[in-house]
Amino acid sequence: GDSVTQMEGPVTLSEEACLTINCTYTATGYPSLFWYVQYPGEGLQLLLKATKADDKGSNKGFEATYRKETTSFHLEKGSVQVSDSAVYFCALSDNGNNRLAFGKGNQVVVIP
Amino acid sequence: GAVVSQHPSWVICKSGTSVKIECRSLDFQATTMFWYRQFPKQSLMLMATSNEGSKATYEQGVEKDKFLINHASLTLSTLTVTSAHPEDSSFYICSARQGTSNQPQHFGDGTRLSIL
Repeated sequence: GDSVTQMEGPVTLSEEACLTINCTYTATGYPSLFWYVQYPGEGLQLLLKATKADDKGSNKGFEATYRKETTSFHLEKGSVQVSDSAVYFCALSDNGNNRLAFGKGNQVVVIP
Repeated sequence: GAVVSQHPSWVICKSGTSVKIECRSLDFQATTMFWYRQFPKQSLMLMATSNEGSKATYEQGVEKDKFLINHASLTLSTLTVTSAHPEDSSFYICSARQGTSNQPQHFGDGTRLSIL
């Protein structure tokens, strides 16, 4: 079935550092890919999306490119802020499947 | 745009009571709504999927008589936790989607349920 794999463990980095969170997927069809962000005590917010190969999603300085050849959708930001501290979830939705498949999420902590 | 409102955000109840959680799409019509449960420091676990006017589709292991879902309109779905017990304490999150599965789900802010 469809699945999403995120890199293990929390990510701690200093303000203005570069952030990369890896995400790879397996899917039988042609999925749409999403990154969601969850701030403490809140629900998930859509951060960005890409619906076909080579699409680049971007929002609030974050970017991710849909790479079909490597089945990846890595999230990147060039210079993080303390306010970016949150949990980030990679997810996919296959047109043949009504559900979102989530990765396990990565806690990102940005230190001033 | 694409705002989903979930209410209440926090509820504490005695064991044995029933609790209703509402999920509303405020500025779009939600073809499909989803209910999730999230345990601390874990990802979301899908409980059920509902389409307006239809019975909800429950995931394996989720008791439909325990977690009653009603999706009476294109902007409102409710989850009722019946005869709640301490093991039902959790963070419940709803989402709503307009259109087909390649469209994003938009999430509510969640409901923290604590059963004493």
